[in-house]
Amino acid sequence: NAGVTQTPKFQVLKTGQSMTLQCAQDMNHEYMSWYRQDPGMGLRLIHYSVGAGITDQGEVPNGYNVSRSTTEDFPLRLLSAAPSQTSVYFCASSWTGNSPLHFGNGTRLTVT
Amino acid sequence: DAKTTQPPSMDCAEGRAANLPCNHSTISGNEYVYWYRQIHSQGPQYIIHGLKNNETNEMASLIITEDRKSSTLILPHATLRDTAVYYCIVRGGEYGNKLVFGAGTILRVKS
Repeated sequence: NAGVTQTPKFQVLKTGQSMTLQCAQDMNHEYMSWYRQDPGMGLRLIHYSVGAGITDQGEVPNGYNVSRSTTEDFPLRLLSAAPSQTSVYFCASSWTGNSPLHFGNGTRLTVT
Repeated sequence: DAKTTQPPSMDCAEGRAANLPCNHSTISGNEYVYWYRQIHSQGPQYIIHGLKNNETNEMASLIITEDRKSSTLILPHATLRDTAVYYCIVRGGEYGNKLVFGAGTILRVKS
């Protein structure tokens, strides 16, 4: 049982490049979410999904797109990377909105 | 989600109980109190949660006041490995899916 798997672990992008951060869970969780964490700060919610085909915005959605075509996967897309998106990104999942969240180990993204 | 307030940092001696407070005065009746911790830059780890009764598991105890406006996470015998940022979060009800983390409490366990 792998839990929540995030890839890649590290990524360096140039301003304007695009990329997709991958997140997969094998626990059949309905709820999935993306957070970013900047140095010395707590986690801020980017987007979340309550099931396949359903997504919604969190606190800081600008510059990010998501989709949820399957229960297992919840990719996060940066269409045109900016230095302000340099951060650590965490994906999390849970059975429902009231269940404990399981977090991945993060993707460390640097945009130059 | 109801907002939570936590002290920015606390110290605890190794082997002693660590008591981390959290204020959630605007909590509504169907919202749960959750605690997570984050060690270094790893993904946050679930510790415990509760609605209105006190809860205990192998990691910690959660004490929720009768009016539910505050709670305390208790690590009964803190070790150096418990040094981490601890987050208190209120979740559930209509906004349960929009889980929001605050700044948390940095707990430093010292030998």
